Amino acid sequence: GQNIDQPTEMTATEGAIVQINCTYQTSGFNGLFWYQQHAGEAPTFLSYNVLDGLEEKGRFSSFLSRSKGYSYLLLKELQMKDSASYLCAVMDSNYQLIWGAGTKLIIKP
Amino acid sequence: GAVVSQHPSWVICKSGTSVKIECRSLDFQATTMFWYRQFPKQSLMLMATSNEGSKATYEQGVEKDKFLINHASLTLSTLTVTSAHPEDSSFYICSARAPSGGAYEQYFGPGTRLTVT
Repeated sequence: GQNIDQPTEMTATEGAIVQINCTYQTSGFNGLFWYQQHAGEAPTFLSYNVLDGLEEKGRFSSFLSRSKGYSYLLLKELQMKDSASYLCAVMDSNYQLIWGAGTKLIIKP
Repeated sequence: GAVVSQHPSWVICKSGTSVKIECRSLDFQATTMFWYRQFPKQSLMLMATSNEGSKATYEQGVEKDKFLINHASLTLSTLTVTSAHPEDSSFYICSARAPSGGAYEQYFGPGTRLTVT
């Protein structure tokens, strides 16, 4: 079956760095997405990785290793507004998104 | 970027009534739209995939006669929850994929919070 695993919850301090991991097992691979979702709102797109390596976009970076079925989202210089759920999703061979359960990130002052 | 709207943003209805939710792509044509449901503290659950001009493809366990989906144009898809019950109370989110998007990101609407009393 298809499976996306990510931690349920993480806590970090304002100004620090946090890494949210995601491992996946899917039928085919057409890219991995990270989305941010604030409570009561729809997800917003953060990043897309289809090749191995690190993609940097401001304070956020996303890494992919296809051979290991592994990705992480790195958030630097954490701000209180970064408190949200972070969803990892993989697009399978049918171009359908398979969603992880999300990681709730709590930022403390 | 591409914008997707949903209407209404929230709705309260009585048990047994039907509710229609609209999803529109405002500045692009979406050949494929997706309907998701999300219960509190849970991840997104895909309900169905809707292609313009054809019948929607429903995920296993989703009743197609209860959740009617119509994708009549390249910019509009509707989800009708028929004979709603309290257990249908949830956050319904649509997303759209543009033809030129290939395998890339889906654009999400802001969601509709449905409460059935």
